[in-house]
This record gives sequence, C-alpha cells and structure tokens, in this order.
Amino acid sequence: SQELEQSPQSLIVQEGKNLTINCTSSKTLYGLYWYKQKYGEGLIFLMMLQKGGEEKSHEKITAKLDEKKQQSSLHITASQPSHAGIYLCGADIRVSGNEKLTFGTGTRLTIIP
Amino acid sequence: KAGVTQTPRYLIKTRGQQVTLSCSPISGHRSVSWYQQTPGQGLQFLFEYFSETQRNKGNFPGRFSGRQFSNSRSEMNVSTLELGDSALYLCASRGGVKLFFGSGTQLSVL
Repeated sequence: SQELEQSPQSLIVQEGKNLTINCTSSKTLYGLYWYKQKYGEGLIFLMMLQKGGEEKSHEKITAKLDEKKQQSSLHITASQPSHAGIYLCGADIRVSGNEKLTFGTGTRLTIIP
Repeated sequence: KAGVTQTPRYLIKTRGQQVTLSCSPISGHRSVSWYQQTPGQGLQFLFEYFSETQRNKGNFPGRFSGRQFSNSRSEMNVSTLELGDSALYLCASRGGVKLFFGSGTQLSVL
C-alpha cells in the first residue's frame, strides 16, 4: 500500500479556475514537499512544509500542512496553462528505523482553455 | 551552477542485458539518491548514497545496484534486465532540505 496517497489522481480544470490537490500520509511526517513534473522529465521543487499548521505560497500556489491529520493540500488560484503537469507530494517517512523520501502517486493536472 | 546531469537521456535494451546509468550531482552536493518512475507504481525509491556509502535502500531486488565515487558522481546498474524494468530513472542530489532532480534516463527494455 502507498504510504502517501494523493487525490484526485487526475484533474481537468478550465483556465482561470481554482483547484486543490490533497496528500495524506499513513505514517508520521517529518517534512512534506511538493514537486511539479512535466511529462517524462525531472521534478521541480515547489515548496517544503515542516511544521503543523504551516502555510507557504509561491506566486499563485499555496500549500498547507495539517500535521494532526497527516495531510497537506496544494491550492492553485486562477489556474493558467503553465500550471499543467504532474504534482507530487513527498515526505521523509521513517520506515524500519530509516528515514527515506517517499512520494505520492501523483496528480495529473490538465488546464483547458 | 550546473544542475543534476543524467546520462544517457534515452536507452533501449533487450531482456537479459545489463545497463549502467550515470548521475552527476550539483557541485558540492554529497548525497545522491535514485528513483524509478513507472505509470503503475509511481516514483519508487531505489537507494541513496552519501560520501561513497549507501545510506538507505528501497525494496528492489539485488539486480539493482549502485555506487558513488569520490567526486560524488553516482552510477546505477541493473543486471539481467526484465521487461518490467522499463521506466524513467531519476537521480537527485540533496542540498540542505531540498532534493534537486535530473531530467532522468528513459529506459526501454524490449
């Protein structure tokens, strides 16, 4: 089973609309990262959240961490074609005494005119 | 500052062959980790190297191995390739809390 679950798996949004992507962990979080990926390419770092209740913004993208629920959400305001891609959450999760950066299943975002 | 460089960008192999992928981290970064990405399984952690030592390992068979050199460059080797090894292989170097990813090597096993 996945240690990080993302929802929805895919999203088609009209340009200009707002959207939210969720990431839920089954284990204790020590740091939550959001990355964006263009198909077949590497991941681009968006932001990192470390404390419960923390919220960060970059341009029109805002991410929040709800540590108690072991959840994070990524919100895009007034979406643009440049926002299209795959969004992945990642977390430092402790497994068998070792911490490793684990990623969610990803959310594929399509922006339509 | 140059980013993380992975070579080759694309690779086609046949079953049973072996393959070596290369990753050059950002200058000054000593940690390199490798990931396999497939449509079905998503991004799966393979292993992490720090100062030439394997620090962490994911749940992959022994056919997958890696190493890191004194200049922090890393190689990943897959022996006896299987069709299911077809994937995008990504490496990342760590700078502080951030992971910086290369563009990946797209491996196709026929």
